[in-house]
Amino acid sequence: GQSLEQPSEVTAVEGAIVQINCTYQTSGFYGLSWYQQHDGGAPTFLSYNALDGLEETGRFSSFLSRSDSYGYLLLQELQMKDSASYFCAVRDGGSNYQLIWGAGTKLIIKP
Amino acid sequence: DVKVTQSSRYLVKRTGEKVFLECVQDMDHENMFWYRQDPGLGLRLIYFSYDVKMKEKGDIPEGYSVSREKKERFSLILESASTNQTSMYLCASSPIQGSQETQYFGPGTRLLVL
Repeated sequence: GQSLEQPSEVTAVEGAIVQINCTYQTSGFYGLSWYQQHDGGAPTFLSYNALDGLEETGRFSSFLSRSDSYGYLLLQELQMKDSASYFCAVRDGGSNYQLIWGAGTKLIIKP
Repeated sequence: DVKVTQSSRYLVKRTGEKVFLECVQDMDHENMFWYRQDPGLGLRLIYFSYDVKMKEKGDIPEGYSVSREKKERFSLILESASTNQTSMYLCASSPIQGSQETQYFGPGTRLLVL
């Protein structure tokens, strides 16, 4: 079957760096996306990787290794407002723009 | 600015009632999606539509139907609500050109079925 695996919860300290991993097993692959969702809010798009390597957007970076079916989201200089759930998602290429979603990682930030 | 709106933020219905959830997007996107979100299960796709009057089943279509009569509007229908349909329902849209990997979500409807 098709699946994405990510940790259910990660805890970090304000000002630190945290990495959220995602491994995927899908029949096809176009790219890996990351979304952020605050409690009670809607998911919002953070980043997308189609090619191997690191993409940086401010304090957030996302990495992809297609050969390892693996990616991660790196958050630097953590702020309390980064406390949220983070989802990885893959478009497997087979269907009409559907995304396959991980179950989400809840990021807890301590002062 | 991109906007997806949903008809209700909170909804309480009784078992057996017919429930309509509406979603409207103002971005002229071709694709629209309905998900449900439950704790620990992430987002599960119920139905999606890639054009007016077109629809395709997602992973969990049982007990649901959809309607897309206009490009900007995608409705989710619970024919006969049951307690196991208590959930958060999220609508999303995406273009088929350009940033098609990005889905834009509405604020969600939290449905309680009693």
